[in-house]
Amino acid sequence: GIQVEQSPPDLILQEGANSTLRCNFSDSVNNLQWFHQNPWGQLINLFYIPSGTKQNGRLSATTVATERYSLLYISSSQTTDSGVYFCAVGEASGSRLTFGEGTQLTVNP
Amino acid sequence: NAGVTQTPKFQVLKTGQSMTLQCAQDMNHNSMYWYRQDPGMGLRLIYYSASEGTTDKGEVPNGYNVSRLNKREFSLRLESAAPSQTSVYFCASSERTVFKIEFGSGTRLTVV
Repeated sequence: GIQVEQSPPDLILQEGANSTLRCNFSDSVNNLQWFHQNPWGQLINLFYIPSGTKQNGRLSATTVATERYSLLYISSSQTTDSGVYFCAVGEASGSRLTFGEGTQLTVNP
Repeated sequence: NAGVTQTPKFQVLKTGQSMTLQCAQDMNHNSMYWYRQDPGMGLRLIYYSASEGTTDKGEVPNGYNVSRLNKREFSLRLESAAPSQTSVYFCASSERTVFKIEFGSGTRLTVV
């Protein structure tokens, strides 16, 4: 099956800093999504982005499907951005999502 | 809209007991899913239902059964719980399988 690698595994920032999270995948995809899991365990869908670029407030994401990677940008980070960020991809030939192991983000005040 | 609602939120079972996790969505989504999340790992798909009347195995289906009761509801059953099934279980839904997926708040299950 498809392999999903996220980097870095851990990231510590000071409030106000910017960051870039990366998701690499091993095969063609028709589905790519980014999620934030907050410290209480709730999973929030940030972006559905199989290709192209999207922005939502301080967050933006870019997927370059031909080169098999996606990037999540967080600008002017806040303590509420802390948590785990997951990338999930769906193979072009299938209908299921495979999750990466996540990036643990800690934003300190 | 409540979105995806799971019950119960917490459960402790003894080895060998059975239970059913309930899930309902009010977004008129066609596809529904059950995932499990273990410490330090991403989410792994247990079963999914692409549309009402269909169910398919995911990555880790052993020890589980599912029922797509109607378009809104998708239940997960553990027939004989084992300690290896201690996990956090998430139900999710999407308009169709290749589309944005929304998660419920999770069920924390401990099997002793």
